[in-house]
Amino acid sequence: GAVVSQHPSWVICKSGTSVKIECRSLDFQATTMFWYRQFPKQSLMLMATSNEGSKATYEQGVEKDKFLINHASLTLSTLTVTSAHPEDSSFYICSARLKFTEAFFGQGTRLTVV
Amino acid sequence: KQEVTQIPAALSVPEGENLVLNCSFTDSAIYNLQWFRQDPGKGLTSLLLIQSSQREQTSGRLNASLDKSSGRSTLYIAASQPGDSATYLCAVPNYNQGGKLIFGQGTELSVKP
Repeated sequence: GAVVSQHPSWVICKSGTSVKIECRSLDFQATTMFWYRQFPKQSLMLMATSNEGSKATYEQGVEKDKFLINHASLTLSTLTVTSAHPEDSSFYICSARLKFTEAFFGQGTRLTVV
Repeated sequence: KQEVTQIPAALSVPEGENLVLNCSFTDSAIYNLQWFRQDPGKGLTSLLLIQSSQREQTSGRLNASLDKSSGRSTLYIAASQPGDSATYLCAVPNYNQGGKLIFGQGTELSVKP
């Protein structure tokens, strides 16, 4: 299957700083990318959907000013957690898809805010 | 509103058994259905994608079926192995909501040696 690379795999940052997570589709052009958050033993929670060249569509309850999403090209989307706090600590996963086809997921990023 | 349900929530079997995981969805107007596995602390791995026009897809020891009219899909795992232990998720895209995937809650599978 296609490969979606997410970087970094894990990151520890200090409270109040910002962290950027990258999601790249390595062997296909992703017209749509999705960002999820997952708490331990829970299912994926969709945070936002982004289409290349357009503003991201955020799910209800997700702060768009805190979780900045950029989808500047067909192979790259970034999620920036701004002014991170301990409650933002979580597992973040991206997904990429070309139009109405199979979705592929990155390996996830474990964010710990101390 | 599309809802996806998976039964059972957890399953423990001895190695070598054949097993079936179930997925049901409320709106039969789907484009496709996808099965994933997730290992602890990892992202999701796509296992099988069934298009709405298909009834079955096979990959190795995995076979997924789709019955749109009844709103059901099953994932059959033959000759289970300890390495199959993971959480299995099914999902359907909702194109009325930007194509986002609607996930079931998952089945946590444990295969005992």
